Amino acid sequence: GAVVSQHPSWVICKSGTSVKIECRSLDFQATTMFWYRQFPKQSLMLMATSNEGSKATYEQGVEKDKFLINHASLTLSTLTVTSAHPEDSSFYICSARAYSGGARDTQYFGPGTRLTVL
Amino acid sequence: AQKVTQAQTEISVVEKEDVTLDCVYETRDTTYYLFWYKQPPSGELVFLIRRNSFDEQNEISGRYSWNFQKSTSSFNFTITASQVVDSAVYFCALSEAGGTSYGKLTFGQGTILTVHP
Repeated sequence: GAVVSQHPSWVICKSGTSVKIECRSLDFQATTMFWYRQFPKQSLMLMATSNEGSKATYEQGVEKDKFLINHASLTLSTLTVTSAHPEDSSFYICSARAYSGGARDTQYFGPGTRLTVL
Repeated sequence: AQKVTQAQTEISVVEKEDVTLDCVYETRDTTYYLFWYKQPPSGELVFLIRRNSFDEQNEISGRYSWNFQKSTSSFNFTITASQVVDSAVYFCALSEAGGTSYGKLTFGQGTILTVHP
């Protein structure tokens, strides 16, 4: 149980295009999902908290208009990187928080999406 | 503010050696969770353990064991008889159990463990 999927696993795009990344909790419902960014050999940096049915909460320094988050259902959150530029190239990871049962409050992570902007 | 410190940036051991990964945390909350995650070269974070701040019992799961000591704000992770497959980056993390930052994880910088055959 507690499987989180991400799609795509990797994407290469041209500068100026938008990229959408999907995060799905496959066998549990997640009212809250989180989006992280990880640079090589660094820790995870929280970008935003995504709550089902409401606006995402962004961390300080993260551009809301740049990184659009939609959490339309209890099993799906999407991150859209708008007008991507090379500096947006990174490893993006989502997590879903279980809110019931023995694993309550545990975050389960997706496999990540490697974005390369040319 | 919460903070998690993993002082060991990299550890290198030979297979079958025991290895301990240190984790020290700071928080003003009385109720919180501590976690360990493993990130193998594939990149996916694998959940290993969650510990509630009220539960100081140590835990053992196969070759893995965890030592939680509130008195020293530490949550150390020991791998017994390490194997090459244990090679990965290990992250210690902390989250509040309530409040405005409920559920947000604060990660340590990670420890790169390399187990040589």
